[in-house]
Amino acid sequence: DAKTTQPNSMESNEEEPVHLPCNHSTISGTDYIHWYRQLPSQGPEYVIHGLTSNVNNRMASLAIAEDRKSSTLILHRATLRDAAVYYCILRANNAGNMLTFGGGTRLMVKP
Amino acid sequence: KAGVTQTPRYLIKTRGQQVTLSCSPISGHRSVSWYQQTPGQGLQFLFEYFSETQRNKGNFPGRFSGRQFSNSRSEMNVSTLELGDSALYLCASSSVTSGSLHEQYFGPGTRLTVT
Repeated sequence: DAKTTQPNSMESNEEEPVHLPCNHSTISGTDYIHWYRQLPSQGPEYVIHGLTSNVNNRMASLAIAEDRKSSTLILHRATLRDAAVYYCILRANNAGNMLTFGGGTRLMVKP
Repeated sequence: KAGVTQTPRYLIKTRGQQVTLSCSPISGHRSVSWYQQTPGQGLQFLFEYFSETQRNKGNFPGRFSGRQFSNSRSEMNVSTLELGDSALYLCASSSVTSGSLHEQYFGPGTRLTVT
């Protein structure tokens, strides 16, 4: 599986935008970029995914570099509830449901 | 729609014992995956079941096993428990067996402590 690299931790102020980076320089052409997050004392939850184009949903936006070697998860206005570990994961389209988690980024949100 | 449920939520066992954990997927979901989460190793894939068949297996010893029933509920078993098996065990369900376009839904986990 192609690997992803994320910063160990990031800090943000409440109600400010947050940009969480992910490097995936060995991504293959059929790999989708998925983001999950894990709130304290909970299982991971899906956030967003994309292939080539930027994507938006009610939780976040995903910006994908033109060469697809990196991506950025954007939380437009961080709230205290967004404090979590964010995981960037590559998924091949026909590779089954196995998710390969890296270390993720621990996001701390200050009031 | 009810989410993924896992029972029990907390469990304390002694070294050498065995344990069975249960997972009920979201109604209609036929794929169930299991993960182990520890502070040292992070989240690691254990195995996946679809329609009562194991589809994929992670790099864990044979002491870790699982099964899926015809109603898609799944159980995992760990025999001859070791201290290192202390972890949060997470179950995830999905409506399909594969495909990057489909998200997985995780349960709250079972916290296993081995003493």
